[in-house]
Amino acid sequence: DQQVKQNSPSLSVQEGRISILNCDYTNSMFDYFLWYKKYPAEGPTFLISISSIKDKNEDGRFTVFLNKSAKHLSLHIVPSQPGDSAVYFCAASDYGQNFVFGPGTRLSVLP
Amino acid sequence: GAGVSQTPSNKVTEKGKYVELRCDPISGHTALYWYRQSLGQGPEFLIYFQGTGAADDSGLPNDRFFAVRPEGSVSTLKIQRTERGDSAVYLCASSPTGVGAGELFFGEGSRLTVL
Repeated sequence: DQQVKQNSPSLSVQEGRISILNCDYTNSMFDYFLWYKKYPAEGPTFLISISSIKDKNEDGRFTVFLNKSAKHLSLHIVPSQPGDSAVYFCAASDYGQNFVFGPGTRLSVLP
Repeated sequence: GAGVSQTPSNKVTEKGKYVELRCDPISGHTALYWYRQSLGQGPEFLIYFQGTGAADDSGLPNDRFFAVRPEGSVSTLKIQRTERGDSAVYLCASSPTGVGAGELFFGEGSRLTVL
């Protein structure tokens, strides 16, 4: 039973447009959420995080939105660049426990 | 280097053999995690150390899997009597102060193939 879901296995976006990656979770105890990016043959690298006391966190081209009532978060990348092409993982934790990862969404940004 | 180091990067073994995977975390990081990633899936939690002790080993799939961190730095994941289903990329990550305090810093992983 997946606690963190990323229902889109892949997404293609034109360069310069917005990429929106979605994530849903089932455990209401989760209160800290992160997005990781992974290139082939490399470990995941941290991108951005959000605590449950916020509904938005922005860092440059990356913004994460959290809707606690819907148990949903999304990552917006704007403008998308070819170098953003990677697999994106959503992860969640309740403080003091481990991080639970989603299955990932492969983003392809087309030039 | 300054990042999390994992060795070997690739390991091919035969079914039934014993395997050790090593992780050298970022200096000063007290928390260390092992994850396993199979093709097309996200990282799956195995075990988490805070210092020398295993704070949570609930993700270890069975008693063939064991991990140690004797001095609170380097960790070794040990797999006995390997099975083909153990084939995956084993990821190690470290964190300065543990879960909730920030992100995990991952190594590049050790790809294990059991023939």
